[in-house]
Amino acid sequence: AQSVTQPDIHITVSEGASLELRCNYSYGATPYLFWYVQSPGQGLQLLLKYFSGDTLVQGIKGFEAEFKRSQSSFNLRKPSVHWSDAAEYFCAVGAFGNEKLTFGTGTRLTIIP
Amino acid sequence: DAGVIQSPRHEVTEMGQEVTLRCKPISGHNSLFWYRQTMMRGLELLIYFNNNVPIDDSGMPEDRFSAKMPNASFSTLKIQPSEPRDSAVYFCASSEPGSRANSPLHFGNGTRLTVT
Repeated sequence: AQSVTQPDIHITVSEGASLELRCNYSYGATPYLFWYVQSPGQGLQLLLKYFSGDTLVQGIKGFEAEFKRSQSSFNLRKPSVHWSDAAEYFCAVGAFGNEKLTFGTGTRLTIIP
Repeated sequence: DAGVIQSPRHEVTEMGQEVTLRCKPISGHNSLFWYRQTMMRGLELLIYFNNNVPIDDSGMPEDRFSAKMPNASFSTLKIQPSEPRDSAVYFCASSEPGSRANSPLHFGNGTRLTVT
């Protein structure tokens, strides 16, 4: 069975600082990996996805993520955060032939001035 | 594109009452998912449909929960009778045709259910 671990429940970052949110997955074959963002009172919005090919993927809002098979990780990064990035971030894993995504428990990001 | 539309946004009901949550997926999307979000359990997939047919309902917690998709533009999630532990935010999501798991999910804004 596939699973996702987001080890950080809550992260606080100063505006303008760099950000890295961690995600580790467990899956026997090549996974499909996603990062979603959820603003308060809203549904989840896709930031980026990885299926194959280049292990560094670019997403919306200046986010990127790197797939590292050897570490079973898919960490999300942003060079300089903005106050509007404050939200909850979810990593998710899926697989070819399976539409069921398994979501991590989320990381809440707080931005301080 | 209006996005995935869920109604109501908020529902407060008493234990034992029937609750019906509604979802209109994005036009042209052929897969529809119902998720439940709680602080304790995070995001859980309850059931999903493909071309209006339920594919996997293994996440439906109990027989009190049922879901239907009578046509491509409408789905309901019903809880009867409701219990306080059903209190959560329920999300509907849809995705467009494509290779399995290749199409991203588009989420609605959710229905916040409170059962007293």
